[in-house]
Formats: sequence, C-alpha cells, structure tokens
Amino acid sequence: RKEVEQDPGPFNVPEGATVAFNCTYSNSASQSFFWYRQDCRKEPKLLMSVYSSGNEDGRFTAQLNRASQYISLLIRDSKLSDSATYLCVVNSAGGFKTIFGAGTRLFVKA
Amino acid sequence: SAVISQKPSRDICQRGTSLTIQCQVDSQVTMMFWYRQQPGQSLTLIATANQGSEATYESGFVIDKFPISRPNLTFSTLTVSNMSPEDSSIYLCSVGSGSRYEQYFGPGTRLTVT
Repeated sequence: RKEVEQDPGPFNVPEGATVAFNCTYSNSASQSFFWYRQDCRKEPKLLMSVYSSGNEDGRFTAQLNRASQYISLLIRDSKLSDSATYLCVVNSAGGFKTIFGAGTRLFVKA
Repeated sequence: SAVISQKPSRDICQRGTSLTIQCQVDSQVTMMFWYRQQPGQSLTLIATANQGSEATYESGFVIDKFPISRPNLTFSTLTVSNMSPEDSSIYLCSVGSGSRYEQYFGPGTRLTVT
C-alpha cells in the first residue's frame, strides 16, 4: 500500500463546477498535511496547509479526518486557471520527512 | 517565502558523464532538500542536504551516484554521476520553512540523458 494515495483522475469539469479531491495516508503518526499545486512543467507550489479543524482559503476548503486518515480538497466555482495537478503531501512522524501523493490532474473547461 | 533559483534550467547530457546542479536561496535556511520527478510521476526525495555535514540519503539513493554539497546556509549542489538514460528526470531543490514544515521549491532542472 502506498503511503499517500490520491484519486487517480483526471477530473474534467466545466467552469463554475465544484470538484473534490480525496487523499488517504497510511502512517497514523503523520503530523502535517498539505495540498500543493503543480502546473505543467513547473515546480510544485504550496496551495494550503490542512488543519484538524478544517480550513478555507477563498474558493478552496481543506479538511482532515485523522481517525480515517483522510484528507480532502474542495474547489468551488472552478476557474480555467485551476487546471493543474493537485498533490496531497504528508509529513510523517514530524520533521521534514515528506511524502508526496501521485497527484490528481484537473482540467477545467469553458 | 524564500526565492530559490536553480542552474542549469535544463541540459542534455551523454551517458557516462556527470552533471552538477546548483541551488541558490536568497536567505539563510536550515533545511534544504533534493527531489527527483520522473516523467508522469510524483516527487521522490533523494536526500536532505545538511550544512557542514554529509547529506542524509533516502532508501534507493547513494552518495556515489548523487553526491551533494552544502557549503553554507544559502547554497547546495547535487551531482548526478555516471548518468544513464534512466536518470532523465526533473531535479528540484526545496527549502523547509515554518512550524508545520512547509516546503518551497526551486524551478527545477530538466535533465535528458542520451
């Protein structure tokens, strides 16, 4: 079993749609969780951290369920510019031991 | 967040040769990392570049193949030695920051080995 697993995608959605990505992790001792965004042929960029209480940043909402070892990202009112690969990232057992998921590709079409 | 640059941005190399990739940060950082991203794949951590001591390598990566230098808190190099076509990949450096261990990435070096 992979340490971090994501929906395989790709997701093809129209502009304005709401889309949700899921991610599960295997190490219950994991302490920090993130969503990164990677555009084609670019480096990953931090989109948002994921907190136990859930957090929202504009159109983006991230949630963490420690009991189920599950992380989600919800994007509302999708824009063409949201088209990218979304990476679920987990820091295991503290520190910078970072595991990246394989990524979920999102295509938003007009 | 820190501004991170990498050189070269891309290169095409012959098998059997070596390439050194440079990573420069505009501020002092404690934690620097090197990743590999093979075509269509996610990122895999190669090693943690420790200032003043040997790098810490992840399983499957060895110092002889990927020697790393970290002479100060703003600079690191990764060498890909005795290259083969399987080393064709994007190599990224990152810096660690924050209490939650966020990472910020350089633009990457796209390496093609022929």
